[in-house]
Amino acid sequence: QQPVQSPQAVILREGEDAVINCSSSKALYSVHWYRQKHGEAPVFLMILLKGGEQKGHDKISASFNEKKQQSSLYLTASQLSYSGTYFCGTFNNDMRFGAGTRLTVKP
Amino acid sequence: EAQVTQNPRYLITVTGKKLTVTCSQNMNHEYMSWYRQDPGLGLRQIYYSMNVEVTDKGDVPEGYKVSRKEKRNFPLILESPSPNQTSLYFCASSRRTGEYEAFFGQGTRLTVV
Repeated sequence: QQPVQSPQAVILREGEDAVINCSSSKALYSVHWYRQKHGEAPVFLMILLKGGEQKGHDKISASFNEKKQQSSLYLTASQLSYSGTYFCGTFNNDMRFGAGTRLTVKP
Repeated sequence: EAQVTQNPRYLITVTGKKLTVTCSQNMNHEYMSWYRQDPGLGLRQIYYSMNVEVTDKGDVPEGYKVSRKEKRNFPLILESPSPNQTSLYFCASSRRTGEYEAFFGQGTRLTVV
């Protein structure tokens, strides 16, 4: 069963912030985040494991609440290069991905 | 270089003509999977494999077959392709547990006419 992502799409100006949410109806072992540019393969961003940890690098961070079976990806001070489709992937016994969030950053 | 290699990258075929999309990884990963990507639907899992000779259905397995005879290879077989299988396909591999990132192949854009 695919995790549910929201919003489906978001448009930002450079420098603005965004939050992308991911939720699952199943208990989760881990949550993965990937970014995909049009027509290319998804690229790994980060993994969060059980324990409610928060991770981040540069201006992209994420949190994972295993009790609520939810994860959020935070993009701060967005750059043009952040444009793309973001997928969360949830791992229980196998990896399932959400429908994606299309992020567009404009100058 | 660690990589997942898919072939072909592009394929146009006719309805009913059997085809195979190959996927090979050089990282000794136990877990491999196939996804199809359609606009607005994200990456939907077709089949996955936890190890050699162990495969299982994902969310959209109808019309597809897979095999895992060797650890490095996980081909996707369409015995009788139909136009509704026109899509962008990705193969991915990772270590067995969810603690490790998934590596994706370059994708195969399939058109069935």
